[in-house]
Amino acid sequence: AQTVTQSQPEMSVQEAETVTLSCTYDTSESDYYLFWYKQPPSRQMILVIRQEAYKQQNATENRFSVNFQKAAKSFSLKISDSQLGDAAMYFCARWGPEKLVFGKGTKLTVNP
Amino acid sequence: DAGVTQSPTHLIKTRGQQVTLRCSPKSGHDTVSWYQQALGQGPQFIFQYYEEEERQRGNFPDRFSGHQFPNYSSELNVNALLLGDSALYLCASSASGQGNHEQFFGPGTRLTVL
Repeated sequence: AQTVTQSQPEMSVQEAETVTLSCTYDTSESDYYLFWYKQPPSRQMILVIRQEAYKQQNATENRFSVNFQKAAKSFSLKISDSQLGDAAMYFCARWGPEKLVFGKGTKLTVNP
Repeated sequence: DAGVTQSPTHLIKTRGQQVTLRCSPKSGHDTVSWYQQALGQGPQFIFQYYEEEERQRGNFPDRFSGHQFPNYSSELNVNALLLGDSALYLCASSASGQGNHEQFFGPGTRLTVL
C-alpha cells in the first residue's frame, strides 16, 4: 500500500516561535502532488500549502513553508512566527491516483 | 461563494439502520469525493463521483454506496450500520481538468452508531 507517515502524533510550540512537522510518503509515481491540510476543532479541513513534485523549489505561503526532499520522499511543514490560531490537527496528504491519501495527523499545540 | 456544504451536521443511528448523508459542492466544481475519518485518524477515501458515475473506490464494503445528481450534488448511503461506522464523514469537491488536484472540504457529518 502506498502510505503517508507522520511520525509525530503531537507537537507543541511557543507563540512566535518556529515548529517543523514531519511527513514521509511512498509512491511509485514520478509526478504527483503533496499537501498539508489543517483541521481545527471546527472540523473543517483547510488547505495550508501544496507542492508539485516536478517543481524543485519549495512552496511557501506566508508563514508556512515546506522542505520537499523528493529522493528521500520527505515533505515537512515549517510554521514560522506561530500564532494561537495555528493550533489544530495537521495532515500531510499525497494525491494519487484520483484520491488523497492522508497521514494520521499531528496535533499542534501553541502555548502563549 | 458558499463553499462545500454538508447535511446533517450530526446524526445518531442504531446498528442495522440505514443512513443518507448529503453534500453540495463548491460552485464551479463537478467532482465529489467522500472520506471517512475515524476518531484520531486521518481521512480514508471512500469513493469519488464524476458525471454521475462512481469513478474510483477505496477499500470499503458494498454497504457504502453513493449517487451524484445532475447539479453535481451527491449522497452517501450506508446500509446495515455497524458500530465501527461511527466517524466523521467528509465530502470534498474539485473541478475536473484542474491540474493541481486541489480538493475543498465541507465541515463534515458526525455519525454516531449506537
